[in-house]
Amino acid sequence: RKEVEQDPGPFNVPEGATVAFNCTYSNSASQSFFWYRQDCRKEPKLLMSVYSSGNEDGRFTAQLNRASQYISLLIRDSKLSDSATYLCVVNMWRQLTFGSGTQLTVLP
Amino acid sequence: NAGVTQTPKFQVLKTGQSMTLQCAQDMNHEYMSWYRQDPGMGLRLIHYSVGAGITDQGEVPNGYNVSRSTTEDFPLRLLSAAPSQTSVYFCASSPDSYEQYFGPGTRLTVT
Repeated sequence: RKEVEQDPGPFNVPEGATVAFNCTYSNSASQSFFWYRQDCRKEPKLLMSVYSSGNEDGRFTAQLNRASQYISLLIRDSKLSDSATYLCVVNMWRQLTFGSGTQLTVLP
Repeated sequence: NAGVTQTPKFQVLKTGQSMTLQCAQDMNHEYMSWYRQDPGMGLRLIHYSVGAGITDQGEVPNGYNVSRSTTEDFPLRLLSAAPSQTSVYFCASSPDSYEQYFGPGTRLTVT
């Protein structure tokens, strides 16, 4: 079983749609959680950290459920510029483990 | 600030050759790391360093060496290249190991 699992997609959605990505992690001792974004053939960049209380950054909302070992990312009012691969990342003892990513394409 | 820089951008090696991938950062970050990214596998940690003179192994260290003589530089050495090391290599730095700043990557092909 992979340590961090994501649905690889691809998700193809029209502009303005709401889309949700899910991620599960296997190690209950994991300490912190993130979503990164990676554009095609580019380096990953931090999108947002994820907290149990939930956090929002504009159109993006992230949520962590420690009991279920589940992380989510919600994107509202999708833009063409949101097209990318979204990576779920888990930290334990200063080592990051990346999911293989979920590919999103927003269609005009 | 240049951020994290990596050289070369592209490299083709023959099996058995050795080479060093260079990584430098100008943000005075203590934490630096190397990842490889293969299709369908996500990024996997090769080696990391929490400061000058301190390095440790990640998930997939075999076939790679690192050293950290300065805060700025963290080179990755391939000792004897194998086709299984064909990948995209990313270097990253961080002030605290949490938010990682990635370099643009090196695309390596071993034939």
